[in-house]
Amino acid sequence: GAGVSQSPSNKVTEKGKDVELRCDPISGHTALYWYRQRLGQGLEFLIYFQGNSAPDKSGLPSDRFSAERTGESVSTLTIQRTQQEDSAVYLCASSLVVGGTHEQYFGPGTRLTVT
Amino acid sequence: SQQGEEDPQALSIQEGENATMNCSYKTSINNLQWYRQNSGRGLVHLILIRSNEREKHSGRLRVTLDTSKKSSSLLITASRAADTASYFCATDANGDYKLSFGAGTTVTVRA
Repeated sequence: GAGVSQSPSNKVTEKGKDVELRCDPISGHTALYWYRQRLGQGLEFLIYFQGNSAPDKSGLPSDRFSAERTGESVSTLTIQRTQQEDSAVYLCASSLVVGGTHEQYFGPGTRLTVT
Repeated sequence: SQQGEEDPQALSIQEGENATMNCSYKTSINNLQWYRQNSGRGLVHLILIRSNEREKHSGRLRVTLDTSKKSSSLLITASRAADTASYFCATDANGDYKLSFGAGTTVTVRA
């Protein structure tokens, strides 16, 4: 079946502009995650959505970052007034939650470059 | 903060050789997962090992887990050029859904 998709695959923006990144999870997956990966580093957790529960936003680095999810469907991550340190690959993942286990399936990511 | 830390940071081997990388973590975990990342993009899930398991196999992959030492190892046997990638371990501290990733081990398989 179709995997997690993300768009755009690449985004170049000027400092100070807003960007919106999109994630389409695997159909039926109730959990959705956003991560950020800076060059040569591991993944940083940003935000977690699970069903109709309140999202866990504890990983968002500043109030310039926000995310929404429509039901158990598409999610958008918005970065306002982008800064150069926001340059990174933004990865989305989705999963079923079975027995407390979150085996996550990742999308290809969006590479964001802020100039 | 990163809970898992992989060792070594980079590994270069000849095709056909085995590759071993290690992961250490700090807190109690529910399970530990290994992922592969090609060209800095999407991660592919390789294998999940639960805290009550000691060893698991999947094809050419062998994962061990030692909860007393808070460490895991990933062995890739009979490596191929296509195994060239970065490998990450990820842990869920106490069953938390927030996976903590290390910085990864970059493996280069020479033909």
